[in-house]
Amino acid sequence: EDQVTQSPEALRLQEGESSSLNCSYTVSGLRGLFWYRQDPGKGPEFLFTLYSAGEEKEKERLKATLTKKESFLHITAPKPEDSATYLCAVQADGGGGATNKLIFGTGTLLAVQP
Amino acid sequence: NAGVTQTPKFQVLKTGQSMTLQCAQDMNHEYMSWYRQDPGMGLRLIHYSVGAGITDQGEVPNGYNVSRSTTEDFPLRLLSAAPSQTSVYFCASSSPTGSYNEQFFGPGTRLTVL
Repeated sequence: EDQVTQSPEALRLQEGESSSLNCSYTVSGLRGLFWYRQDPGKGPEFLFTLYSAGEEKEKERLKATLTKKESFLHITAPKPEDSATYLCAVQADGGGGATNKLIFGTGTLLAVQP
Repeated sequence: NAGVTQTPKFQVLKTGQSMTLQCAQDMNHEYMSWYRQDPGMGLRLIHYSVGAGITDQGEVPNGYNVSRSTTEDFPLRLLSAAPSQTSVYFCASSSPTGSYNEQFFGPGTRLTVL
């Protein structure tokens, strides 16, 4: 069964204190791994897509990496505005052609204190 | 572009009532999906569509119906509301070309069933 697990559930950082969020997955065939940011009361906002092991993508203070079993979202020198829930999702290769089905983890709630 | 819009933002129903959650997108995306988000469960796929006239079930379809008569609209119907359907509902859309895996989410509908 395809599954996504995120850790930790919650993380509290001081401003400037770098850290990483983890997303481990089991999937029959990985079509893509996605990171989203979700602010309270809003819909998820797309951050990155990673397609193959070894791939890395960066956006401002965020850097996402991918291995065959997990992905990391590294946050360098975070600021209070980085506080949000970060969601990881995978798209499995169903073998039946194009699809838009995503399997989400439960997210990591990040709080960055000034 | 307005992106993905959802109405209403909040709704309270009594057990047994029916209603339709509206979703519209103006990006000419072929793919649209409905998710529900519950505490500790992550986002779960209810129904999805890969184009007008084509719909399929996701992970948790029971108690919900969808139809896709146009590219722009993808309404979600609750047939007979139950307290277990209390949740936040998100609609998402994406394009099968280019970075089609990037799903754009609406702001959500918070539904309470009494």
